[in-house]
Amino acid sequence: DTGVSQDPRHKITKRGQNVTFRCDPISEHNRLYWYRQTLGQGPEFLTYFQNEAQLEKSRLLSNRFSAERPKGSFSTLEIQRTEQGDSAMYLCASSLETLAGEGEQFFGPGTRLTVL
Amino acid sequence: GQQVMQIPQYQHVQEGEDFTTYCNSSTTLSNIQWYKQRPGGHPVFLIQLVKSGEVKKQKRLTFQFGEAKKNSSLHITATQTTDVGTYFCAALSNDYKLSFGAGTTVTVRA
Repeated sequence: DTGVSQDPRHKITKRGQNVTFRCDPISEHNRLYWYRQTLGQGPEFLTYFQNEAQLEKSRLLSNRFSAERPKGSFSTLEIQRTEQGDSAMYLCASSLETLAGEGEQFFGPGTRLTVL
Repeated sequence: GQQVMQIPQYQHVQEGEDFTTYCNSSTTLSNIQWYKQRPGGHPVFLIQLVKSGEVKKQKRLTFQFGEAKKNSSLHITATQTTDVGTYFCAALSNDYKLSFGAGTTVTVRA
């Protein structure tokens, strides 16, 4: 399967614990995005990378959230000191920027986080 | 980011009927994308609209971008059970961020 993959698919943790999610984008894609989706809502942008450079972070992203994309390949999203309000589906997407502009984003299956 | 509003939030359709879902913005959009998310699934890209007044068709789905580039619509004809899911429009900003609407969730009565 050459699509976007995410690991783990589900994570249950206790409030105050740290969690880390991984995203493996489509190999030739240079852009990688993280979104958060709660029930009944569309995905909310969190942050994105062009190759290994993190270009922007949403104001939604508190200082407990950090993302990395070492070597411009896979990415990790870490949440420190989790809170119950962090419970959501965390989606990763990748895309290929070309001279024609931005194309479609390919989404992974997501990591569902439950904070008890 | 650019805010897009979608109506209706829910659409209950009799199999075989047509329906339309709408996406509206208070600002001019450079680009609108549509995604479909099946229950328990992840968003899947359907189409991208860039030009004013653009109309694109995919089988029973017709996508339109308004003349003022402030609204878009998705029209589905002869609805089938495979059309079940949530349809999102998303505005692409100049710095390549997608701002999603809240979606229209479609259920189909057989």
